[in-house]
Amino acid sequence: AQKVTQAQTEISVVEKEDVTLDCVYETRDTTYYLFWYKQPPSGELVFLIRRNSFDEQNEISGRYSWNFQKSTSSFNFTITASQVVDSAVYFCALSENSGYALNFGKGTSLLVTP
Amino acid sequence: ETGVTQTPRHLVMGMTNKKSLKCEQHLGHNAMYWYKQSAKKPLELMFVYNFKEQTENNSVPSRFSPECPNSSHLFLHLHTLQPEDSALYLCASSHLRGNLNTEAFFGQGTRLTVV
Repeated sequence: AQKVTQAQTEISVVEKEDVTLDCVYETRDTTYYLFWYKQPPSGELVFLIRRNSFDEQNEISGRYSWNFQKSTSSFNFTITASQVVDSAVYFCALSENSGYALNFGKGTSLLVTP
Repeated sequence: ETGVTQTPRHLVMGMTNKKSLKCEQHLGHNAMYWYKQSAKKPLELMFVYNFKEQTENNSVPSRFSPECPNSSHLFLHLHTLQPEDSALYLCASSHLRGNLNTEAFFGQGTRLTVV
């Protein structure tokens, strides 16, 4: 069963638009970590953020913000005033006590056009 | 500088060749991983090493053979591959607290083409 669902396969926006990437997860653990990664065309997975299950405080880093809501098992990612350089595939991932490796969603491909 | 370095970045090999992918991490992590990423497919976990011990092998064909000589180095030995094995191979390292990944970083990947 898929533990991390990224329902949006592809999103296309025009530069300067705001865009939200959705992530819904499933776990029975009370302690877990959630991650977002960016994969530009070069291929490397770039770490963006990590949240632990006890910290629901939303986080903002420049144009990036994350909304973690345990009540809906969601960890959404918003890019404000998108730029062409934001074009990439974005992955949400879950780390649980019941396994070593990260569970990845299928990714959302974001295209930002000028 | 990601702290996880993979070589080579690109590799083209014939089906009868033997080659190895190398991964090195400088982050003091205690676990290392190989992932495969094929076009239009999600990331697939191949192998997990925790403190140099292989803890997971997700039904990977024997033509892929991992080696972890120490907690900083990880290899993936390749032999008699098939064209469908062409993919991006990503190495990752993480800090495990028990079974829980508290941080995980990836290398830049090796783009493998089997001809």
